Amino acid sequence: GESVGLHLPTLSVQEGDNSIINCAYSNSASDYFIWYKQESGKGPQFIIDIRSNMDKRQGQRVTVLLNKTVKHLSLQIAATQPGDSAVYFCAETPNTGFQKLVFGTGTRLLVSP
Amino acid sequence: GAGVSQSPRYKVAKRGQDVALRCDPISGHVSLFWYQQALGQGPEFLTYFQNEAQLDKSGLPSDRFFAERPEGSVSTLKIQRTQQEDSAVYLCASSLDPGSYEQYFGPGTRLTVT
Repeated sequence: GESVGLHLPTLSVQEGDNSIINCAYSNSASDYFIWYKQESGKGPQFIIDIRSNMDKRQGQRVTVLLNKTVKHLSLQIAATQPGDSAVYFCAETPNTGFQKLVFGTGTRLLVSP
Repeated sequence: GAGVSQSPRYKVAKRGQDVALRCDPISGHVSLFWYQQALGQGPEFLTYFQNEAQLDKSGLPSDRFFAERPEGSVSTLKIQRTQQEDSAVYLCASSLDPGSYEQYFGPGTRLTVT
């Protein structure tokens, strides 16, 4: 497959470590914040979302934290696995009446065995 | 059923040619989105359909870009007189209804304009 991005910020971790990926968003009026995972040659895949009135949400091995004061979103991945290697994007929905996604700058996660 | 499919997966066009990119959304999904993803960037919104109605085309970069969804299912993104700056991955996504924020993306069409 082809590379999604060649000059993205990169986070390199060892298998089994916990990973934290950060994102700054721009629109304080957004309803939802969502993390997507994009593997090479594929479209983005939904991971987890959080509504603007929450500050933490947990899924399977993933946790999303929302800090509205500083407009910051983070994705924590527990016990990172080689299959987690991908580019991760945060996205927000600017409350336009339909759920248009505005994506942030991606982060490439590299997991070494 | 099956996920979102797009065709072709790869398209090489000479500058000035017209191209048509197809998207088959998940059956029954009302909302359909097109995004453009340049290398090293996140996807950027192009246009939105609710059934057959194109409700937002604010992201289309120029009048050379045209999208349609005549029967409320399959959609086509057409680019006329392609330019090198049109080279990108074009992603289609669908969601169940306008209020649903969980979008399902297709694999994209990689357009290279030479």
